[in-house]
Amino acid sequence: QSVLTQPPSASGTPGQRVTISCSGSSSNIGSNYIYWYQHLPGTAPKLLIYRNNQRPSGVPDRFSGSKSGTSASLAISGLRSEDEADYYCATWDDTLSGVVFGGGTKLTVL
Amino acid sequence: QVQLQESGPGLVKPSQTLSLTCTVSGGSISSGIYYWSWIRQPAGKGLEWIGRIYISGSTNYNPSLKSRVTMSVDTSKNQFSLKLSSVTAADTAVYYCAIGKGDEFDIWGQGTMLTVSS
Repeated sequence: QSVLTQPPSASGTPGQRVTISCSGSSSNIGSNYIYWYQHLPGTAPKLLIYRNNQRPSGVPDRFSGSKSGTSASLAISGLRSEDEADYYCATWDDTLSGVVFGGGTKLTVL
Repeated sequence: QVQLQESGPGLVKPSQTLSLTCTVSGGSISSGIYYWSWIRQPAGKGLEWIGRIYISGSTNYNPSLKSRVTMSVDTSKNQFSLKLSSVTAADTAVYYCAIGKGDEFDIWGQGTMLTVSS
């Protein structure tokens, strides 16, 4: 069981907006930044969002992150076929003194 | 731009110690800018953080693996390493090295597959 809880799957059609949730606790999301990663099979994961809502250079503004209390979410607007991937949230956990990942959400573009 | 490349034996026998190395190019491991981390992904499962080391030698390890993990930095070779002792089939995974200036991982290696089998 992951410390951070994500839905195992999500889906949408091209052009739609989808959101992926990530739920934690006061010792992790509630007191630290949240990060989001995109992972395509056979490739290295890619940092998509850092410090809750910041996009690294090169990440399209179709991707956005937000955080409220002990939960966070990743929104993808204008869904494209190349967005089909696994998405992971991650943060530091003060109790565990380590980085914790969500279980991952497999996004399918129908 | 810093690049990372993992290397390892590919196959390790149960109860042995696995050793993986991450070679850094395009930057110096001695820069003191980054945390140097290891992350793994068993087949069909999610990402699991193993631990990280800073240039000072300070480490943070996943509590579930702490008793078996050792990380080190070799500044002369611009490499950092992971040792995981007493491996079992549950340690079979793709192992990634990654770096970040804080708790994020903004540069990743391509990953190396490690199989534990007799």
